Amino acid sequence: AQSVSQHNHHVILSEAASLELGCNYSYGGTVNLFWYVQYPGQHLQLLLKYFSGDPLVKGIKGFEAEFIKSKFSFNLRKPSVQWSDTAEYFCAVNNYGGSQGNLIFGKGTKLSVKP
Amino acid sequence: EAQVTQNPRYLITVTGKKLTVTCSQNMNHEYMSWYRQDPGLGLRQIYYSMNVEVTDKGDVPEGYKVSRKEKRNFPLILESPSPNQTSLYFCASSWDRSSGANVLTFGAGSRLTVL
Repeated sequence: AQSVSQHNHHVILSEAASLELGCNYSYGGTVNLFWYVQYPGQHLQLLLKYFSGDPLVKGIKGFEAEFIKSKFSFNLRKPSVQWSDTAEYFCAVNNYGGSQGNLIFGKGTKLSVKP
Repeated sequence: EAQVTQNPRYLITVTGKKLTVTCSQNMNHEYMSWYRQDPGLGLRQIYYSMNVEVTDKGDVPEGYKVSRKEKRNFPLILESPSPNQTSLYFCASSWDRSSGANVLTFGAGSRLTVL
């Protein structure tokens, strides 16, 4: 079965530090990849997505992610975090052409940014 | 405004008392889904629906029922709630059922406590 692993449960950074959150998935076929963000007390919002093409995708608020097919990874990065980036981040994977119902989420990584 | 609306947002109930959480979307989306979010477990899919009268089980369907009689509505029914169903519930919808590219729009969440 497909699975999504997020390496860190909780990451604590100071403002202006660089961020990288790991995401690995288990499915070997063609996939669509997503990062969603959940700010405190809010619902999930799409941060960025990869369907095809350039494996380096840029999202909102200065976030980017790189799809490395050989490593089954889709890590999220930001060069300089802000206090307002404090949130929980979820990686998700959907196998293209498969069951459209199966968008599999990782368990999430909580990011705390100290001002 | 395009949105997914869930009600109630907060509910405290007792074991065995049937309840329904409503979900409505105004984007003419074909795909709708319910997730529950629990600390350390991320989002787990309960049920999803590809279209009217088409529903299927997700990863954790036990204790839940759904129906999809109209395109816009996808209620979640707990026939006999138990304390292990205390959770934060999210409804989500998406327009693109054919490509496998599920970019979900989430509702604000419904926090349910079963005593």
